[in-house]
Amino acid sequence: RKEVEQDPGPFNVPEGATVAFNCTYSNSASQSFFWYRQDCRKEPKLLMSVYSSGNEDGRFTAQLNRASQYISLLIRDSKLSDSATYLCVVNEDNNDMRFGAGTRLTVKP
Amino acid sequence: NAGVTQTPKFQVLKTGQSMTLQCAQDMNHNSMYWYRQDPGMGLRLIYYSASEGTTDKGEVPNGYNVSRLNKREFSLRLESAAPSQTSVYFCASSERGQEQFFGPGTRLTVL
Repeated sequence: RKEVEQDPGPFNVPEGATVAFNCTYSNSASQSFFWYRQDCRKEPKLLMSVYSSGNEDGRFTAQLNRASQYISLLIRDSKLSDSATYLCVVNEDNNDMRFGAGTRLTVKP
Repeated sequence: NAGVTQTPKFQVLKTGQSMTLQCAQDMNHNSMYWYRQDPGMGLRLIYYSASEGTTDKGEVPNGYNVSRLNKREFSLRLESAAPSQTSVYFCASSERGQEQFFGPGTRLTVL
């Protein structure tokens, strides 16, 4: 079983739609959690950290459920520019970040 | 601030050849990492260096060696390249447990 699992998609949604991604992790001792965004043939870049209380950054909301060991990312009012692959990242031991394989999102006009 | 830089951007090797991938960061981070990314697999950690002078194996270290030359530079060496090492290689740096900043990647093909 992979340490970090994501639905690979692709998710194809129209502009303005709300879309949600989930990610599950296997190590209950994991310490911190992140969502990264990766554009085609580019490096991953941090989208947002995920806090226990949940956090929001504009149209993006991240939630953490430690009991069920999953993380979610909600994107509201999708834009064409949101098309990318979204990587769930779990920090197991400060220097041991585990990456999910990514969920691909395409937002269509 | 260049952030994290990597060279080369592209490389084609024949089986058995050796090469070194270079990485440098100008953010004064203590930790540096080498990952490989393959389709459907996500990023997998090859080696990391928690501080200058230390290196540790990650998830997939076989066939690779690393050198933390100084605080800025962390190189990855393939001594005898194999087709299974065809991948995109990313270097990253961070402070311990914090956001990682990635370089632009090296696309390596081993024939």
